[in-house]
This record gives sequence, structure tokens and C-alpha cells, in this order.
Amino acid sequence: EAQVTQNPRYLITVTGKKLTVTCSQNMNHEYMSWYRQDPGLGLRQIYYSMNVEVTDKGDVPEGYKVSRKEKRNFPLILESPSPNQTSLYFCASLRSQGSYEQYFGPGTRLTVT
Amino acid sequence: AQSVSQHNHHVILSEAASLELGCNYSYGGTVNLFWYVQYPGQHLQLLLKYFSGDPLVKGIKGFEAEFIKSKFSFNLRKPSVQWSDTAEYFCAVNGRSSNTGKLIFGQGTTLQVKP
Repeated sequence: EAQVTQNPRYLITVTGKKLTVTCSQNMNHEYMSWYRQDPGLGLRQIYYSMNVEVTDKGDVPEGYKVSRKEKRNFPLILESPSPNQTSLYFCASLRSQGSYEQYFGPGTRLTVT
Repeated sequence: AQSVSQHNHHVILSEAASLELGCNYSYGGTVNLFWYVQYPGQHLQLLLKYFSGDPLVKGIKGFEAEFIKSKFSFNLRKPSVQWSDTAEYFCAVNGRSSNTGKLIFGQGTTLQVKP
């Protein structure tokens, strides 16, 4: 089954404690992306990757890092989380050509206290 | 600037009522348009999409949307809503010439359908 998986689904942590949210897709998609969803703001792109070792900033990259060492994985790293990073995070993947339809993961709800 | 605006933030309807959710976009160039739905506690699901051709597109669960290029609009409609349509709805756009596929989302509209 074609899918995007994220782990963990829920996470409560404290300010400053480094964390990683994993994202994996099994569709051999070149393009992957991270979004955060906040009430009244919709989804905003944090980072994206067009292929292995190719990453770039989205609209709200501050406080986040990513890496793309393998095509299927695109982890999101918060080196020093702060309360304003409390949000719902979605990973997405997309074929580089064709329908431009993105496949979204189930989401990770992060709370930073 | 690229943006998507959804005019209705919170809509409350009774079952069997008709639905129309407004979406306007600002984006230079040719666009692809999408409506996503997010049921409570679930991830985003694609309702329908428009790339080209007939501006009236039909999606899943009886939803449809009409692309009006002159108005930069892509409104979502359903003739008769059900309680199970209670969810948050997002309009999104990306550029046809973009090689990143980045989606610009609207703020979302929460639909509450009363049984």
C-alpha cells in the first residue's frame, strides 16, 4: 500500500530537548516536504527536498533542520524546541512530474512545554 | 505574493442543506488547484483537484468544485451535506511550472453539520 508514515504520532517534550520526527514514503517519490498546521493559519511549508541531498527552506524554516540521506526518508529535527513550535506536523511526498498530487502522512502532534 | 484565501472560517449547516465554500487565490502563472479534507483526528485527504480541461471537477463523496479563472476562484460545493461531512476543509494551489510542487494552503474552513 502506497503511504507516508510518520513517527511519533504524539509527542510531549520540554523546551530545549532535541527531538526528531521521522518521515518515510514507499512510493519512490523524489520530492518530500514538511508542513506545520496551526489554527487559523492553515498549513505552512517548513522545508522541502527535491531529491537525495537536495533540501531547501520553505516559508517557516526557523528552528528546524532536515536531512535527506535516502530517498525514502526525510526526518525533521528540532535542535532546541521552544513552545512556539507546538503544532501539528505533516510530512508529504510527491512525484517530481505528473499529477502534482501530494500524499500526506498521518501527522505528528507536538507539544513543547 | 502567493496566497490562498478562504472566506468562511466556520460554517454550521443542518443535514441536507447545500454547501458552498469560497476559495480565492493569488498566484502568478498557471496553477493546479486542490481541495483537501481533514476529518477530526485524521490526516489530510484529497477531495478533488483541477489541472486543466473542464473547469467543473467532481471529487469523492459527492463534492464538486468550479474553477473560474477570471475570478481566481475555486469554490467547493455539495448539494446535500451529511453529518459525516463534519470536518475541516482546505483549499490549496501550486504552480504548474513549479518543479518543487510546493502547496500554498488557505486558512481552512471548519464545517459543522448538525444531524
